[in-house]
Amino acid sequence: DAGITQSPRHKVTETGTPVTLRCHQTENHRYMYWYRQDPGHGLRLIHYSYGVKDTDKGEVSDGYSVSRSKTEDFLLTLESATSSQTSVYFCAISDDPQHGYTFGSGTRLTVV
Amino acid sequence: SQQGEEDPQALSIQEGENATMNCSYKTSINNLQWYRQNSGRGLVHLILIRSNEREKHSGRLRVTLDTSKKSSSLLITASRAADTASYFCATVFTGNQFYFGTGTSLTVIP
Repeated sequence: DAGITQSPRHKVTETGTPVTLRCHQTENHRYMYWYRQDPGHGLRLIHYSYGVKDTDKGEVSDGYSVSRSKTEDFLLTLESATSSQTSVYFCAISDDPQHGYTFGSGTRLTVV
Repeated sequence: SQQGEEDPQALSIQEGENATMNCSYKTSINNLQWYRQNSGRGLVHLILIRSNEREKHSGRLRVTLDTSKKSSSLLITASRAADTASYFCATVFTGNQFYFGTGTSLTVIP
């Protein structure tokens, strides 16, 4: 998706290891979001950022932390991965949430 | 949860037919948006309707909003095989967060 890149696209990791997912944007948008998508649950907000170093929790933030030291990068860290964190993770950006989001292509994370 | 809920969960139609999916939500909103997700991809923004609007059109898409019933519907007219995807409503409250429903999976049979 133009202007937003997620890395890696796929990752398999072991239970108990830390994992960091990266979202990079070239749109200079103020707002950045991390969602996870699971069957039967739709998309659930993990954390979001409304500016450099300004972040807040979403509805499923336990076990996750985020950092945003630059406008263009929003990192999601699983501090100690568990099998319940196996999911597809999407990053989204917005210049004005009232106008909608642009989504990345997702990261498929498997915790074994 | 503040999620919207789409109905039906799955819908299968013949090419050329119209597809209607519904979204219900729980609290007052500023606006409501519909997104499409093709298999294995991110979500793509389709259309936005504000809380003071009742109907909006974009190409073959028609969205209605009934704030008294806390519900919205998305109509896709003259469906095509390429419309096969999952469709999500997202409700926007005051603030910076969207809440997504669980989606309707649409299959258009050629």
